[in-house]
Amino acid sequence: AQSVSQHNHHVILSEAASLELGCNYSYGGTVNLFWYVQYPGQHLQLLLKYFSGDPLVKGIKGFEAEFIKSKFSFNLRKPSVQWSDTAEYFCAAISGGSYIPTFGRGTSLIVHP
Amino acid sequence: NAGVTQTPKFQVLKTGQSMTLQCAQDMNHNSMYWYRQDPGMGLRLIYYSASEGTTDKGEVPNGYNVSRLNKREFSLRLESAAPSQTSVYFCASSDTAGVGNQPQHFGDGTRLSIL
Repeated sequence: AQSVSQHNHHVILSEAASLELGCNYSYGGTVNLFWYVQYPGQHLQLLLKYFSGDPLVKGIKGFEAEFIKSKFSFNLRKPSVQWSDTAEYFCAAISGGSYIPTFGRGTSLIVHP
Repeated sequence: NAGVTQTPKFQVLKTGQSMTLQCAQDMNHNSMYWYRQDPGMGLRLIYYSASEGTTDKGEVPNGYNVSRLNKREFSLRLESAAPSQTSVYFCASSDTAGVGNQPQHFGDGTRLSIL
């Protein structure tokens, strides 16, 4: 069965620091990858997605992610975080031919002003 | 621009009571999903519905039932609530015309406490 691992469970940064959140998936075939953000008390919202083409994907609010097939990874990055980026971040993967996502356990990001 | 609407937003139940969580989407999506979110566990799929008239079990279906009433609505029922079902429940929908490359759209969640 497919699995998605997010190795950083809790990350604490100061404003203007750079961010990288790790995501690894287990499926070896075609895969579609997503990052979602959940602000405190809100529902999950899509940050960005990858399903083909340029492995460097740009999303909303200055986030980007890089798909590295050889490493089964889809890490999320932001050069300079803001206090408003405080949220929980979820990586998700859908294997080719399916439409059911597998979610990682999430990473809680706290940004201190 | 309603998207996915869930009701109620909050609910407190006593052990053994039953209730139904309602979900409706106005995006003409084929697929709908119910998840529960628990601290440190991420999102776990309870049930999903690929299309109107079909439902399938997800990762944690025990203690729940679902009904896909029509294309818009997908309800989740707890027949006899247990404290272990205290959680935040999210409904989601997606357009599966492109199979797996479409994101999910989530409702605001239902915070359910069972005493």
